[in-house]
Amino acid sequence: EAQVTQNPRYLITVTGKKLTVTCSQNMNHEYMSWYRQDPGLGLRQIYYSMNVEVTDKGDVPEGYKVSRKEKRNFPLILESPSPNQTSLYFCASSLAGFGSYNEQFFGPGTRLTVL
Amino acid sequence: AQSVAQPEDQVNVAEGNPLTVKCTYSVSGNPYLFWYVQYPNRGLQFLLKYITGDNLVKGSYGFEAEFNKSQTSFHLKKPSALVSDSALYFCAVRDGYGGSQGNLIFGKGTKLSVKP
Repeated sequence: EAQVTQNPRYLITVTGKKLTVTCSQNMNHEYMSWYRQDPGLGLRQIYYSMNVEVTDKGDVPEGYKVSRKEKRNFPLILESPSPNQTSLYFCASSLAGFGSYNEQFFGPGTRLTVL
Repeated sequence: AQSVAQPEDQVNVAEGNPLTVKCTYSVSGNPYLFWYVQYPNRGLQFLLKYITGDNLVKGSYGFEAEFNKSQTSFHLKKPSALVSDSALYFCAVRDGYGGSQGNLIFGKGTKLSVKP
């Protein structure tokens, strides 16, 4: 089954404790992205990757890191989480190629609480 | 800069009635427009998209959307609402100028509630 998987689905942690949220897709997509969803703000892009070893900042990158060492994986790293990073996080992927009209496929989400 | 607006936080309709969820956008070049739906505790699911061509786009679950260039709108519609359509709906836009995989900008979402 074609899908985007994220782990963990739920995480409660404390301020300053490094964490990683994994994201993996099995569709051979070149483009991957991380979003956070907050009430009243919709989805905001954190980082995206056009291909392996190619990453770039989205609209709200502060406090986050990413890496893209393999095509299928795109982990999100919070080196020193803070309470304002409490949010619902989504990973997404899409085909790259001609134009930018490819729809994105989303993972099930990771609900993060930072105390 | 590109932007997208969903002017209604919530839309309430009765089952069997037509529904409309509104979306307006702003881009520099040609817009690529998308609608996604989010059911409770789930990720976003793609519904439909407009790239070019026919202004009326048909998508999943009986939904359709009408692209109106002069009004810079892309409203989501369904002729007869179902209770199971109750969900959070997101409009998204990407500026097609240059054809690059740029940021996809999402609206804030509209909660659709369909009552029996």
